[in-house]
Amino acid sequence: GENVEQHPSTLSVQEGDSAVIKCTYSDSASNYFPWYKQELGKRPQLIIDIRSNVGEKKDQRIAVTLNKTAKHFSLHITETQPEDSAVYFCAASMVQGAQKLVFGQGTRLTINP
Amino acid sequence: GAGVSQSPSNKVTEKGKDVELRCDPISGHTALYWYRQRLGQGLEFLIYFQGNSAPDKSGLPSDRFSAERTGESVSTLTIQRTQQEDSAVYLCASSFSLLNTEAFFGQGTRLTVV
Repeated sequence: GENVEQHPSTLSVQEGDSAVIKCTYSDSASNYFPWYKQELGKRPQLIIDIRSNVGEKKDQRIAVTLNKTAKHFSLHITETQPEDSAVYFCAASMVQGAQKLVFGQGTRLTINP
Repeated sequence: GAGVSQSPSNKVTEKGKDVELRCDPISGHTALYWYRQRLGQGLEFLIYFQGNSAPDKSGLPSDRFSAERTGESVSTLTIQRTQQEDSAVYLCASSFSLLNTEAFFGQGTRLTVV
């Protein structure tokens, strides 16, 4: 089955700097890669996702890149702000056949003012 | 309802007792997941229901854990003879699955076994 590895487990950056979180997956058939943000005490919420037919997707300060050959994808947050502090989870799935979402272990991101 | 609803939001139980957790998914969502999240940890997959297919139970940690789903609606996660290590937040999520795989999470049930 699918296995998703996420790095780093913790990340601390200065406000205004960029943050990058990386994930690798094992199943080359996976074609859907969402990222979830979980603020302290709250439920995870989708912030951005990418499908395997594109290599990059942006939404304001957030971008995700996908390298299908290497089987890795990354989350990029630019101009970080204190409200970006949270735990971020990547996941992988296959749309066809409705395969389950497999999550990485999470990255605790802290933005230092 | 507007979102995924879980009940109870908090449950304190004595070691050895059975507990039942409930999840009401978003109407029309065919896929339903249960995850366990221990304090400060990641999302541990437990079980996955997809339509009328046999559920994927590969994440259930022991035979004390079981889950059921009635059609494409309510799901219950049952933990028998609870142990202290079962203490965690149990999250349910649902997704439409076929065209839009975004998974929407419930607020979770915080289970404390004393």
